[in-house]
Order: sequence, then C-alpha cells, then structure tokens
Amino acid sequence: EAGVAQSPRYKIIEKRQSVAFWCNPISGHATLYWYQQILGQGPKLLIQFQNNGVVDDSQLPKDRFSAERLKGVDSTLKIQPAKLEDSAVYLCASSLRSGIGNQPQHFGDGTRLSIL
Amino acid sequence: AQKVTQAQTEISVVEKEDVTLDCVYETRDTTYYLFWYKQPPSGELVFLIRRNSFDEQNEISGRYSWNFQKSTSSFNFTITASQVVDSAVYFCALSEYSGTYKYIFGTGTRLKVLA
Repeated sequence: EAGVAQSPRYKIIEKRQSVAFWCNPISGHATLYWYQQILGQGPKLLIQFQNNGVVDDSQLPKDRFSAERLKGVDSTLKIQPAKLEDSAVYLCASSLRSGIGNQPQHFGDGTRLSIL
Repeated sequence: AQKVTQAQTEISVVEKEDVTLDCVYETRDTTYYLFWYKQPPSGELVFLIRRNSFDEQNEISGRYSWNFQKSTSSFNFTITASQVVDSAVYFCALSEYSGTYKYIFGTGTRLKVLA
C-alpha cells in the first residue's frame, strides 16, 4: 500500500511570510495527525482529525497556524505569519481509526521548514 | 511533568553488540498503550512495537525484544546483535485517554552502531 505522502520535502521562507504543507494519508485511514518536531525533540501533536472533523487542536497556535481536511482525505497545514521558532520538521501521520488507543500511526517523510 | 522520559540522549555501540534503550512513562490511566518508533536519517518515523497496559508478557520479535514492567513504569527496548542499519533515533510513545487517545512522544535516543 502507498504510504503517507507529504509535500514539499523542504521549504525555506523569511519570517512573516506564509507557508502551506500538504498531506495525503494512507487510503482508508480515517484519522490524520499533524506533528511539529523541533530539532532534538520528539514530535509534538498540533492537530488531530477524525475524517473531516477536528478531534484535538489544543496545542495548535491558532493565531498563526490553521489546518483543514475538507473531504476527509488529504489535509493542508498553514502558517501565517511564520516566526523564527517555527523552524522544524512538520510530520503528517495517519491511522486506521481513532478512539482506539493501540492504533499505530504511519508517518510521512515530513517537511523540513527553515525560517530566515 | 514529562510523561515519557528517555534519559539516554545518545548511545554508541559496536556492531553485533546488544543494546537496550530505556523508557520510563507516567500515566494515571489503567488502560494505556506503549510504542517504540524508529526514525532513520531519512526522517520518516517507523512503527516497531506496541504493548497494552494489561499485558505484561515480554516478547521477542527477531532481533527486537521488549521488557514491560508496570511496577517501575518502564518499557525498555533491546536490539540484539546490532547492525549499522539500526543507527537511528528511537522514540518511545505513550497513548493515553484524555477525551480521545493522545500520543505523547519521548525526546528520543540516538543510537549509533559502529562497524
């Protein structure tokens, strides 16, 4: 089966600019996650979707970050305006279902964002 | 309070040595799940193993084994006869219920296997 697809692979922007990342989960996976991974740290959950509804966005900086999953399939994460501290790898993951704690997550390769 | 602690920042071993990666977790739930993921230099996190809180039986899968002890809140992961391809960052993760099941990752342990 095809894995989780993310694009772009790398992105370099200046602070205060905007940027968008795209993710296509594994076919049939209802749950989609966006994580931020700062260098040397573990992934931190930004937002979790179940189909096209938001399950958890408690750690999403909503003043600058937004995400959508309009048709319950692919998703877009946007940052506007970007700050220096947003430099990180943004990982997308999917799992078959949520509400079940033992579901392993399948991750994409991530987008490495550098803010100048 | 950090819920998943991986005290080992970096470990270096020589090929064919056994290596154990430590993970200590904290949760108030009686039902929870623990995972190990591998992140090679390419960046993609790869699921390795999982364990349910109500099953403390330790298992071996190929060169991988894990030791789950609820009494000490530890979920350690061992690679037997390490290989250079095992070089990666390894993350321990806890899935616990808080309105929905949420993953909490540790800070990772970088394993370097030297030829």
